[in-house]
Amino acid sequence: GENVEQHPSTLSVQEGDSAVIKCTYSDSASNYFPWYKQELGKRPQLIIDIRSNVGEKKDQRIAVTLNKTAKHFSLHITETQPEDSAVYFCAASSYNFNKFYFGSGTKLNVKP
Amino acid sequence: GAGVSQSPSNKVTEKGKDVELRCDPISGHTALYWYRQSLGQGLEFLIYFQGNSAPDKSGLPSDRFSAERTGGSVSTLTIQRTQQEDSAVYLCASSFNTGPYEQYFGPGTRLTVT
Repeated sequence: GENVEQHPSTLSVQEGDSAVIKCTYSDSASNYFPWYKQELGKRPQLIIDIRSNVGEKKDQRIAVTLNKTAKHFSLHITETQPEDSAVYFCAASSYNFNKFYFGSGTKLNVKP
Repeated sequence: GAGVSQSPSNKVTEKGKDVELRCDPISGHTALYWYRQSLGQGLEFLIYFQGNSAPDKSGLPSDRFSAERTGGSVSTLTIQRTQQEDSAVYLCASSFNTGPYEQYFGPGTRLTVT
């Protein structure tokens, strides 16, 4: 089955700096890669996703890049703000396995 | 429209008791997923439903765990003879269909086994 690995497990940045979280996957059949943000005590919420037919997607301060050859995808947050502090999860899915495989999560701390 | 809802929001039970957790998915969503999240940990897949059938039960930790879905809507996760290690937040998510579609999560049920 699919295996998704996520790094780093914790990340601390200064407000205004950029943050990058990386995930690798093992199954070339994976074709949908969402990123979820989970604030303390809250439910995970989708912040951005990318499908395998594109290499990059941006939404304001957030971007995701995908390298299908290397089987890795990354979340980029620019101009970080304290409210970006949360746990971020990457995931992979496809029609082949019908469910999501989640990374282990990255706790992002943005210091004011 | 209404999002995914779960009940109860909190459940405290004694070791050895049975508990039922409920999930109401978004109307029209055919896929429903159950996850478990221990404190400070990631999302552990338990089971998913396509309609009323559960093609993949591989994540259920033991035979004390079972789940069903009726009418292609509400799902219940039942834990029999609860143990302290069952304490966690149980999250439900639904999506338009199985596979590469956005999952919408419910608020979770925090289960504490004393």
